[in-house]
Amino acid sequence: KAGVTQTPRYLIKTRGQQVTLSCSPISGHRSVSWYQQTPGQGLQFLFEYFSETQRNKGNFPGRFSGRQFSNSRSEMNVSTLELGDSALYLCASSFTRDSTEAFFGQGTRLTVV
Amino acid sequence: QQQVKQSPQSLIVQKGGISIINCAYENTAFDYFPWYQQFPGKGPALLIAIRPDVSEKKEGRFTISFNKSAKQFSLHIMDSQPGDSATYFCAASEIYGSSNTGKLIFGQGTTLQVKP
Repeated sequence: KAGVTQTPRYLIKTRGQQVTLSCSPISGHRSVSWYQQTPGQGLQFLFEYFSETQRNKGNFPGRFSGRQFSNSRSEMNVSTLELGDSALYLCASSFTRDSTEAFFGQGTRLTVV
Repeated sequence: QQQVKQSPQSLIVQKGGISIINCAYENTAFDYFPWYQQFPGKGPALLIAIRPDVSEKKEGRFTISFNKSAKQFSLHIMDSQPGDSATYFCAASEIYGSSNTGKLIFGQGTTLQVKP
């Protein structure tokens, strides 16, 4: 059974640009969550989707957005990139409606220069 | 109130020893407490999780102890091995809270080094 797949694995962008990250959950999982991981702030929740609906959103500016498609694949978008957006972006999927037993992908390493 | 405080920040244990990592929380609405293990270059992997209706859960060499009254929970790694060297994160979630579904609040992480 394939795990959570995130693409691309690495990305370098310039300040002011925008970026789209992709996440393919484990087959059959309908809940997808996104997290930002940095050395200073640790793992912080961005948002969570279930059956194409955003159920929860973390404390991030509106530049961070996401969506989920009917096949449960999810994308997150960051517009007007800032240096502080450099981080490992992790996607997690869960089979259960309460989103327990979340399985993480390897992440996308975003570097903003 | 949403914070989860984890200690120690780093831990060095001899092979065969017991590794203990502690976490404390404030929000009494939290009702799901998982532990994750992360190796460099990898995403976090779910190790073990507990709900507040039990005080202890054991899976192999990993045990979670949960103290609801003290709002604390800990991970014990018995017979620690060099392969256990990784960063460990505790987390908490409010499963049945309609506004917090799917949101894991993570501790700051503990870097464990097991010496051969």
